[in-house]
Amino acid sequence: NAGVTQTPKFRILKIGQSMTLQCTQDMNHNYMYWYRQDPGMGLKLIYYSVGAGITDKGEVPNGYNVSRSTTEDFPLRLELAAPSQTSVYFCASSYGQESGANVLTFGAGSRLTVL
Amino acid sequence: DAKTTQPPSMDCAEGRAANLPCNHSTISGNEYVYWYRQIHSQGPQYIIHGLKNNETNEMASLIITEDRKSSTLILPHATLRDTAVYYCIVRVRHNQGGKLIFGQGTELSVKP
Repeated sequence: NAGVTQTPKFRILKIGQSMTLQCTQDMNHNYMYWYRQDPGMGLKLIYYSVGAGITDKGEVPNGYNVSRSTTEDFPLRLELAAPSQTSVYFCASSYGQESGANVLTFGAGSRLTVL
Repeated sequence: DAKTTQPPSMDCAEGRAANLPCNHSTISGNEYVYWYRQIHSQGPQYIIHGLKNNETNEMASLIITEDRKSSTLILPHATLRDTAVYYCIVRVRHNQGGKLIFGQGTELSVKP
């Protein structure tokens, strides 16, 4: 199993440009998440999904969009990049059992710089 | 939603036990306590979780107080590779599942 795979690993954007961060998992996990981490800070939840076709906002959703058309993929879209979106983005997934533990597996991260 | 409080930083001598505390005084009865760690620039890594009882695995032990208002993560023999930020998280309840909200964590420095 590859686990959680994120692409690209690094990207530089100009202000106003758009891009999509890709995330795919091969563990048949139902739940998927996008977090961002600013320098020296903890992780902030952007969006999450409990299954194909279902997404919900996290703590900091503004400026981002997501979709979940398949169990495996959970892309994160930035429509009009701003310098405040310079961050490291982590995708994660889990089985997400409501009544049990919810252990997340994280990807290696995508480092985005907006200039 | 239960929140957690951790010291921002701690030091530990190599080979000694590292005891990382966490307060979660507003935890609900069926909310789990999770511990993750993040080694510099990498994705967070799951360590251990618990509900009421103490737990142990190959990485660490988790001690939860009887009133569940606090817990301690124990790395029994810390090595230099254990230097990382450690996050204590209480699972947030949601109508469609439990998302995990990360706080600031404790930066553990293991020194030779």
